[in-house]
Amino acid sequence: GENVEQHPSTLSVQEGDSAVIKCTYSDSASNYFPWYKQELGKRPQLIIDIRSNVGEKKDQRIAVTLNKTAKHFSLHITETQPEDSAVYFCAAEDTTGNQFYFGTGTSLTVIP
Amino acid sequence: KAGVTQTPRYLIKTRGQQVTLSCSPISGHRSVSWYQQTPGQGLQFLFEYFSETQRNKGNFPGRFSGRQFSNSRSEMNVSTLELGDSALYLCASSSTTAGNTIYFGEGSWLTVV
Repeated sequence: GENVEQHPSTLSVQEGDSAVIKCTYSDSASNYFPWYKQELGKRPQLIIDIRSNVGEKKDQRIAVTLNKTAKHFSLHITETQPEDSAVYFCAAEDTTGNQFYFGTGTSLTVIP
Repeated sequence: KAGVTQTPRYLIKTRGQQVTLSCSPISGHRSVSWYQQTPGQGLQFLFEYFSETQRNKGNFPGRFSGRQFSNSRSEMNVSTLELGDSALYLCASSSTTAGNTIYFGEGSWLTVV
């Protein structure tokens, strides 16, 4: 099955700086890669996603890039704010389309 | 639309007991999946149901089971609870099949003592 690795596990940045989280996956047939943000005690919420026919997608301060050849995708957050502090999970959809494999999460702290 | 609703939100059980968790998907969503979240293992896939049929199952022992009803509501059951079953159990729903976003509920926090 699919294997997703995520780095770093923790990340601290100064407010206003950029944050980058990287994930790799093993199944070259995977086609859909969502990112979730989970605040303490709350549900994971989708923040952005990308499909294999697209190399980059941007939504305001958040962007995701995908390199299918290298089998890795990254989350970029620019102009970070304290409310960006949370745990971020990357995921890759199984080729059956019925399940997702998640990375182990990155705890992002934005220091005011 | 109302989001994914899970009940109960918190529960404490004793080793050896069994527990049933419930999930109501977003209206119109027919796929329901379950994940176990623990600090050490992250989010682990348990199983997925679509139109009352289990389409996929993760690598969990047979003590973990589930079902889906005709109204798409789903339940999962864990029998003979072990301390290691303490976790946040998340239900997620999506509209149909591949490439569709899954939306999570708030989860059910299970503590086994």
